[in-house]
Amino acid sequence: EDQVTQSPEALRLQEGESSSLNCSYTVSGLRGLFWYRQDPGKGPEFLFTLYSAGEEKEKERLKATLTKKESFLHITAPKPEDSATYLCAVDDYGGSQGNLIFGKGTKLSVKP
Amino acid sequence: GAGVSQSPSNKVTEKGKDVELRCDPISGHTALYWYRQSLGQGLEFLIYFQGNSAPDKSGLPSDRFSAERTGGSVSTLTIQRTQQEDSAVYLCASSAVPGVDEQFFGPGTRLTVL
Repeated sequence: EDQVTQSPEALRLQEGESSSLNCSYTVSGLRGLFWYRQDPGKGPEFLFTLYSAGEEKEKERLKATLTKKESFLHITAPKPEDSATYLCAVDDYGGSQGNLIFGKGTKLSVKP
Repeated sequence: GAGVSQSPSNKVTEKGKDVELRCDPISGHTALYWYRQSLGQGLEFLIYFQGNSAPDKSGLPSDRFSAERTGGSVSTLTIQRTQQEDSAVYLCASSAVPGVDEQFFGPGTRLTVL
């Protein structure tokens, strides 16, 4: 059973069309939930860390929120340069420290 | 400052050959991680080094895989007798404080086993 499930697998938006990406997780205890952005041919780039339910963080057009079962990455008025694969990962108290469990990602395409 | 670097960026090898992949973490980061990213799959944890402690090898898929970290800095991932299913992008990451700070990733090494 997957511990981290991201949906949708792919999302196509028009420039300016706001939307949300979902990350559902199952852990023994959440040490932290991480969002990364990955461009083709590159390593993941860190975006946010969330530690407890109710926490929110923002960066430019992105806002990440966290509940006890899932996290959302909200994208407001996206631009073509926001096109990338967005990865969610959890650090589970039940696992070894720092061993992140990744979802398969959501591939976002923003058309001008 | 410089980020995490990896070499080579691409490696093509024949089945049965051994390969070595190198990772230079961010200076001062005590934790170093190796992950594997296969097409259509999420990142898969392989091994984790923290300071001078024994590494967490729980993610290594077989005994053909091994890794070492010299002097608490540079790390080498070795795959012996490569198989076609080993073809993937191998990513290295480092962090200052494991379990607290974010992990910073290198650009990866794309391994192709023919």
